[in-house]
Amino acid sequence: EPEVTQTPSHQVTQMGQEVILRCVPISNHLYFYWYRQILGQKVEFLVSFYNNEISEKSEIFDDQFSVERPDGSNFTLKIRSTKLEDSAMYFCASRATGVGETQYFGPGTRLLVL
Amino acid sequence: GENVEQHPSTLSVQEGDSAVIKCTYSDSASNYFPWYKQELGKGPQLIIDIRSNVGEKKDQRIAVTLNKTAKHFSLHITETQPEDSAVYFCAATSFGNEKLTFGTGTRLTIIP
Repeated sequence: EPEVTQTPSHQVTQMGQEVILRCVPISNHLYFYWYRQILGQKVEFLVSFYNNEISEKSEIFDDQFSVERPDGSNFTLKIRSTKLEDSAMYFCASRATGVGETQYFGPGTRLLVL
Repeated sequence: GENVEQHPSTLSVQEGDSAVIKCTYSDSASNYFPWYKQELGKGPQLIIDIRSNVGEKKDQRIAVTLNKTAKHFSLHITETQPEDSAVYFCAATSFGNEKLTFGTGTRLTIIP
């Protein structure tokens, strides 16, 4: 069964450093998402991406964040200058077109900012 | 924007008994309601979903009901098993909307 994959599974970084989180969505999917989950809290929407542009973003997704689809298979989330409060689990999700709103989630990247 | 409330936050049931988790939503335009199961260290996995044109959907031991008038939807798990232990999240969105709004989660523990 096809699945969303994410790398790395864990990342530790120093405050102020840049990090790039990588995702490989399900191959025939066209809509891509990033969500985050701070420890013990609910999953929060960050950004959606379709047709090589951001279609919606939350207030969390400020200028420190960016997304990119650098090739036909990868989807990345970049945090330019990490803050302590960026420590969270980051989930990538994808969905196909024409099948409603079913989003399939990857296993996540646990980011720890020190 | 949409707001989803979920109760209870924790639920312990004896193996073999039923578990019910309830959610309410605020945006009457929401018309798609998925339920996700999250096991420790893993991403949310879709277990069942319901669209607003139906009131109930069942898949083996799992069922979801939807009351559009009251803006409630519930997850029912029957004949619970130890592997049902996990955190369950409800979510809501509308077709054409890009984001899922999640509830706060329910930690379900099945007592052997």
